[in-house]
Amino acid sequence: QKEVEQDPGPLSVPEGAIVSLNCTYSNSAFQYFMWYRQYSRKGPELLMYTYSSGNKEDGRFTAQVDKSSKYISLFIRDSQPSDSATYLCAGGGGSGTASKLTFGTGTRLQVTL
Amino acid sequence: DTEVTQTPKHLVMGMTNKKSLKCEQHMGHRAMYWYKQKAKKPPELMFVYSYEKLSINESVPSRFSPECPNSSLLNLHLHALQPEDSALYLCASSPQGEGRINYGYTFGSGTRLTVV
Repeated sequence: QKEVEQDPGPLSVPEGAIVSLNCTYSNSAFQYFMWYRQYSRKGPELLMYTYSSGNKEDGRFTAQVDKSSKYISLFIRDSQPSDSATYLCAGGGGSGTASKLTFGTGTRLQVTL
Repeated sequence: DTEVTQTPKHLVMGMTNKKSLKCEQHMGHRAMYWYKQKAKKPPELMFVYSYEKLSINESVPSRFSPECPNSSLLNLHLHALQPEDSALYLCASSPQGEGRINYGYTFGSGTRLTVV
């Protein structure tokens, strides 16, 4: 079983839609969770990070962590064509996982006009 | 300066060549990382440097040799690579040293390596 599982997509939505991206993880030691956006042929760009369970909002983006079910979500409101990219979730932290982020496979998102 | 700069952006090398990838950051970050990313796959950790010392080596073959000359620079020396080593090589840095990744990584744009 992979430590972080993510549906690879592709996920296609119309402009203005609310997008929900999800991951599950298996390592109970994870304390920190991140969402990265990666455009084609570019390095990943940090979008959101959260610590433990709860919600965090930043503009059109909301990250949600439920440690009891080991479930991570990213919501994008009013999606734009410029949001078309691959979204990677990642977890890390805790004993034995020092300085190491484990990534999901990424979900490819296409926002159409 | 909030960037991680990687050079070169593209590299084509033969299996008998020796080359180096370079990474530089001036954010005062004390942890630096090398990741390898194949097409449509997530980044895979190769090495972690914490306070200029190698702290994690993810069982990477010896044909990849990392070096951290100072707190701002990270190199990856390549020798006798195989075609399957062709990938995007990503450098990243984070503010804290070992055990503290809660502010995430800043990635560079990567070096796209092709081994022929």
